[in-house]
Amino acid sequence: EAGVTQFPSHSVIEKGQTVTLRCDPISGHDNLYWYRRVMGKEIKFLLHFVKESKQDESGMPNNRFLAERTGGTYSTLKVQPAELEDSGVYFCASSQDRSVGSPLHFGNGTRLTVT
Amino acid sequence: AQSVAQPEDQVNVAEGNPLTVKCTYSVSGNPYLFWYVQYPNRGLQFLLKYITGDNLVKGSYGFEAEFNKSQTSFHLKKPSALVSDSALYFCAVRDRGRGSTLGRLYFGRGTQLTVWP
Repeated sequence: EAGVTQFPSHSVIEKGQTVTLRCDPISGHDNLYWYRRVMGKEIKFLLHFVKESKQDESGMPNNRFLAERTGGTYSTLKVQPAELEDSGVYFCASSQDRSVGSPLHFGNGTRLTVT
Repeated sequence: AQSVAQPEDQVNVAEGNPLTVKCTYSVSGNPYLFWYVQYPNRGLQFLLKYITGDNLVKGSYGFEAEFNKSQTSFHLKKPSALVSDSALYFCAVRDRGRGSTLGRLYFGRGTQLTVWP
């Protein structure tokens, strides 16, 4: 099966610009997660979709971040306007269910650099 | 609140020697623990998990981890390291609450493992 795919792999933008990250989960996986790792720090949860609904968005840093999952398939994460502290690697993950034994499958990440 | 600590930013070991990557956790209730590995320019790959049962769990690529409840630790181990094991390793605990946070993973900062020939 195809894994979780993320696009783009890298993005370099200037402060104040807008960037949209995309994630295609594994087909049939209802659960989709966004995580972020700022350089040298832990990977932090951003939000969780179940199908097209936001189950938990308590990790979103502020209202400059907007995530969508129209139709319950792929998801986008938009940052507008971007700030320097938004730089990091954004990971998307999916799982078939929310049982605690069900591992998350991660994409390769999008490395975002805001200059 | 759930949290994970990886006290070492880097671990260096010679090929053929045993390796240990340390992880301690803080959770309310029984922990569900995971190890993931990230190779350069790749995503996180699942290595192994502890849910219940035997304290020694075996995973991919010859790795194993030992759950120690009294020390709240879940150290990753391998008897004989390979150069190809060099990567970034993350320990994580899964939220087992009943609310909206169920299923969320909480990660440590990661440990860079370097195995030199």
